[in-house]
Order: sequence, then structure tokens, then C-alpha cells
Amino acid sequence: DIQMTQSPSSLSASVGDRVSITCRASHSISNYLNWYQQKPGKAPKLLIYAASTLHSGVPSRFSGSGSGTDFTLTISTLQPEDFATYYCQQTYSNILYTFGRGTKLEIK
Amino acid sequence: QVQLQQWGAGLLKPSETLSLTCAVSGGSFSGYYWSWIRQPPGKGLEWIGEINHSGITTYNPSLKSRVSISLDMSKNQFSLKLSSVTAADTAVYYCARRVNIAVAGFNWFDPWGQGTLVIVSS
Repeated sequence: DIQMTQSPSSLSASVGDRVSITCRASHSISNYLNWYQQKPGKAPKLLIYAASTLHSGVPSRFSGSGSGTDFTLTISTLQPEDFATYYCQQTYSNILYTFGRGTKLEIK
Repeated sequence: QVQLQQWGAGLLKPSETLSLTCAVSGGSFSGYYWSWIRQPPGKGLEWIGEINHSGITTYNPSLKSRVSISLDMSKNQFSLKLSSVTAADTAVYYCARRVNIAVAGFNWFDPWGQGTLVIVSS
């Protein structure tokens, strides 16, 4: 199995801050990496696929980068609606799609 | 716009079979993969398995012996059965569409159903 490790597990920030979340894969996954946002009691929503491609309708303050084993999700200017939990997911292995454990972004 | 609406029993006893159904509306059933993903309370996401429009299934190896995913093309629905449940199967279960861009090999899950909380308790 390809293990996905996210850091930090939680993060406190203020509106207007720039934040970054890291995801590391246990094996090289090229750029087969997606990012999702989940708010309490709701299903995850796709933000970014193929490591850096913004899904339709996602604000441009979200960006993704990386390739191989190391990836980053960056929110350039935090908005109140961005406080949520973020998950990375690899789709390199089409036998088993695995997610990171999540990063909870909280208001400072 | 594709929407997924799911339903099923929310309270089970140990050893019973979990059964959930997901209805697809607003888009084609063909050409996509239809997945089930679960999330134990306060924890992360676990992919359970999927089925395509031809009925070909792929399952998470850790659950394979207990999982069955089927589809009903006439109703645009697909279903999950998980047998011999235990407390460890308590989770919110989501259905989701996996989009596959075959040429590039990229995949993602979008959209998702609203989720169904399944509690296993004696």
C-alpha cells in the first residue's frame, strides 16, 4: 500500500494568513495526487487534482504543487469559509486509493 | 450537474449485513467508476471499492472478503453490501463518482453523496 502522511495534523491561523499543508507519499506517485476539503458534517469536496490543477469553481487562492513524493497545498489568503479539514489522496495505485489522515485548519 | 443521493439502514447489530444504495441523477452512468468510501467518527477516509458501468468491481484488499458492490443500470443506482459487521465498521459511508482521464491516468472523486452514518452496536 502507498501510505500518505500529512503534516501538520492541525493548524491554527487567522483570516488573511497564508498557510501551507504538506503531504508525503511512501512511494513516488508522480503527480497522481488530489486534495479535498471537508467541513463538519459534510462530504469532502474536490479542490485540486493532478497535484496542481484547480477543480472547476475552486477559488484561485488555493494552489497545489509537488511531484514524486512531496506535495503542498497552499491557501494564499485565508477566508473564513476555508476553516475545514483537508485531505490528500493518491490515485497512482489503481488497486487501492489511499488518503492522508487529514489536516484540521482552525481559527486562531 | 451530477448528484448522488444515498440511503440505507443506520443501526446494525454485530454480524449483520450493511446495505446502502446510491442513486445517480443529472448525468450519465456510463464511463465512470462508482465508489464507496467510509470515515469512522473523527478519523480519516478509507476507500472501500468501486464498480464501473460494465459491472467490473475492485475492492480494498482489507475488506474484499466481506464487500460486494452491485449496480442497477435501469435505475441509475449502485449498492454496497458489507457482511459480518463489527463495531469497527461504524462510520459515515459515502458514495462517490470516480472520474478517470484515461489518456493521462488521472483520477479523482467528485461528486460525493451526502453520507450515511452507520452504527454497529449490540
